[in-house]
Amino acid sequence: SAVISQKPSRDICQRGTSLTIQCQVDSQVTMMFWYRQQPGQSLTLIATANQGSEATYESGFVIDKFPISRPNLTFSTLTVSNMSPEDSSIYLCSTNRGGTDTQYFGPGTRLTVL
Amino acid sequence: AQKVTQAQTEISVVEKEDVTLDCVYETRDTTYYLFWYKQPPSGELVFLIRRNSFDEQNEISGRYSWNFQKSTSSFNFTITASQVVDSAVYFCALKRDTGRRALTFGSGTRLQVQP
Repeated sequence: SAVISQKPSRDICQRGTSLTIQCQVDSQVTMMFWYRQQPGQSLTLIATANQGSEATYESGFVIDKFPISRPNLTFSTLTVSNMSPEDSSIYLCSTNRGGTDTQYFGPGTRLTVL
Repeated sequence: AQKVTQAQTEISVVEKEDVTLDCVYETRDTTYYLFWYKQPPSGELVFLIRRNSFDEQNEISGRYSWNFQKSTSSFNFTITASQVVDSAVYFCALKRDTGRRALTFGSGTRLQVQP
């Protein structure tokens, strides 16, 4: 299985600030995905990040609010900008590893916005 | 458009009971993948199984078994002789074989196994 790490594991932030979440994979992968899980809810895809191109955002998510970087084939960042309490969620990165069709997830970043 | 429905929001059983978690999906694709994930209280999403749309064989892994029926678009998950450690939220998910290949998740079923 893929080894995916995320930093930070959790954070408590003030309204109006921004937080950048890092995702590191232990091997090169083509696509990385960012999901949001609001409290008590299911997972919703924010965007898909391919190396060397702009991320593709799902309906309801915009680049100004959730800018994503994908500088190489093992790393990606998601920034949650100008945060409000509604952004309090678990943010998870995910990828397929080794050319398989199974998607593995990082441990998640638990964000609380006050 | 794809959709995954997990009609059971929460299930509570007593240890050693068998329990089945239902999953019904909708897709227009002929080739796709179905998944089950477990999310314990720690929050990490643990992969349990992947099933390809062209493989309708049921699968058993220890106390876990999965029943995939294309005719009814269902991919149900049974835990035999449940244990307290099985307490978690279980998600069923669907993935296309083309395009961005991200997962479409069901709403999840919270399973509580009482001692």
